[in-house]
Order: sequence, then C-alpha cells, then structure tokens
Amino acid sequence: GALVYQYPRRTICKSGTSMRMECQAVGFQATSVAWYRQSPQKTFELIALSTVNSAIKYEQNFTQEKFPISHPNLSFSSMTVLNAYLEDRGLYLCGANRASQNTLYFGAGTRLSVL
Amino acid sequence: GDSVTQTEGLVTLTEGLPVMLNCTYQSTYSPFLFWYVQHLNEAPKLLLKSFTDNKRPEHQGFHATLHKSSSSFHLQKSSAQLSDSALYYCALRSPNNNNAPRFGAGTKLSVKP
Repeated sequence: GALVYQYPRRTICKSGTSMRMECQAVGFQATSVAWYRQSPQKTFELIALSTVNSAIKYEQNFTQEKFPISHPNLSFSSMTVLNAYLEDRGLYLCGANRASQNTLYFGAGTRLSVL
Repeated sequence: GDSVTQTEGLVTLTEGLPVMLNCTYQSTYSPFLFWYVQHLNEAPKLLLKSFTDNKRPEHQGFHATLHKSSSSFHLQKSSAQLSDSALYYCALRSPNNNNAPRFGAGTKLSVKP
C-alpha cells in the first residue's frame, strides 16, 4: 500500500529559529508533493506544490524565502520553516501524489509549536 | 479560482441514523472531487474520489455522487457507526496535473450511542 512518513511528528522551536521537516513516500513514486498547513480553526492551507524536475509552485502568502522546499527524488521531500513565529504554529502535512492514481496520500504531519 | 464549501462545521448524530455531509464547489473546469477522513492524531486518508464516467464511488459504506448541475459532491451513509466519528474534508482538484487539491473547511462528525 501507499505509505507516507513524516518526521518529526512534533517539534517545538523558539521564536525566530528555524525548523526542518521531512516527508518520505514508501512503496510508490511520488511525482509531486504538496505541503499543507492545518492551523487551529482553519482548513488545509496549501503552501506549495513540488514536482520533480519542475519549479516549485508556491501559493499566495507563502514564499520560498520563508518555506524553502527540497525535492531531490521521487521518494523524499523536505521543507524548512525559517524564522518561525507564533503564526506559523500548526500541523504541517505532506501529501505525496501517486501518479498512477492521481491521488494524494498524506503523512500524519509534523506539529510545530513556537515558544 | 477553485474553491470548496462545506457549510456544516459540526454534525452530531445518533448511531444508526443516516449521514449526509454537504460539499459544493466552484471550478472553471470539470474537476475531480475527493472526500478525506481524518481521525484524531492520524493522517487524513482518502475515503472516496469521483470518477470521470459518472460511476458512484463507494467505500466503507460511504458513497457520494458528483452532480455537475448543482456542483455538489455530498457524502452519504445509510447508517452511522460510532467509529465514523472523525473530521471529513471535501477536496477538489483541477484536471491539470500541476495543481494540488483544494480543501474545504471540514466537517466534524460526532456519532453518539
């Protein structure tokens, strides 16, 4: 089956510091990876869509300067939250697209708390 | 742009009663529609997705019908179970594969005994 692992599951960082999170697709090739943030009281905010060998497409209100993403191969992606502040708190979800099914499979997320 | 609307934030039901969670959408193209379910502290899991040939997708007793005339993809189940309590998200994806799904605000389903 299609499995997506995210690491770490939870993290706490001091305000103004940075935090890197990872996403690993197991058992399938993830031709694209979408990063979302699930904040309290909000739905899934799409941060960016990363497709191997293509430019990463960021949504409005999210930038590469703040959320740099690496997607070096078909099974791994990472995203960093730079200079994290309170408004960056939330559950960061990685959705890996299984091309043959045109469907996103999600990891359990990385929960970011900022002190 | 594409958008998904789920009007109910919370739906509370008694076990055994039918379930219907609303989802309507706006899209320039003929999109794919999805329902994801998220149990507490777990990853969102795909529950259903629409077919291009108008078949009605079904899974774990849930089904949804894509109605293009009303731009809806409501989720239904004939009899709610306690284990159905979870967050349910409707999502839309344009046919262009360079897009990621857009999610609705989600509906929390709470099934009571």
